[in-house]
Amino acid sequence: LAKTTQPISMDSYEGQEVNITCSHNNIATNDYITWYQQFPSQGPRFIIQGYKTKVTNEVASLFIPADRKSSTLSLPRVSLSDTAVYYCLVGGFSGNTPLVFGKGTRLSVIA
Amino acid sequence: GAVVSQHPSRVICKSGTSVKIECRSLDFQATTMFWYRQFPKQSLMLMATSNEGSKATYEQGVEKDKFLINHASLTLSTLTVTSAHPEDSSFYICSASGQGADTGELFFGEGSRLTVL
Repeated sequence: LAKTTQPISMDSYEGQEVNITCSHNNIATNDYITWYQQFPSQGPRFIIQGYKTKVTNEVASLFIPADRKSSTLSLPRVSLSDTAVYYCLVGGFSGNTPLVFGKGTRLSVIA
Repeated sequence: GAVVSQHPSRVICKSGTSVKIECRSLDFQATTMFWYRQFPKQSLMLMATSNEGSKATYEQGVEKDKFLINHASLTLSTLTVTSAHPEDSSFYICSASGQGADTGELFFGEGSRLTVL
């Protein structure tokens, strides 16, 4: 399973756009890139998933370059409630393969 | 999205007792469930993978006789921490995938916080 590397922590002011980059140099051809958000004492929550180029949903965008060795989660206009740990994971699409979590990025949003 | 529910959300027990945590998929059939453990300020660590009707596959370093996993139906998996000790105190999280759930997206339960006194 591809290993991921993310910044340990990031700080941002409310209303700013936050970009969290994840490196996954050993990503396999059939691996997807998925981002999860976790609040304290809660299970992870799915944010977005992509394979290549750009994916956008109502909460975030995911940018994936052509070589797929990295990806960037973009959170537009963050609020205090976006303070959480964000995990980047890579894995197969089947759903039967466990997701291996890296250390994640602890985002702190301040007023 | 699909819903995965865990019970209990919090449990406190005495050292030496056994504790059972349930993980249910409420609106889909979970052919595969995964159990994770998370210590404070740390990431989730995969403990085991369970497939309905077969024995669980444990990750290296996880004692199968201590952490008993049963996945007898397509909607329920249980994790039993046997003879619990204070070092077993942790946040246990299950996730599920399977028929009826979007493939590629794992759904996680709310987590169960175990405190062993």
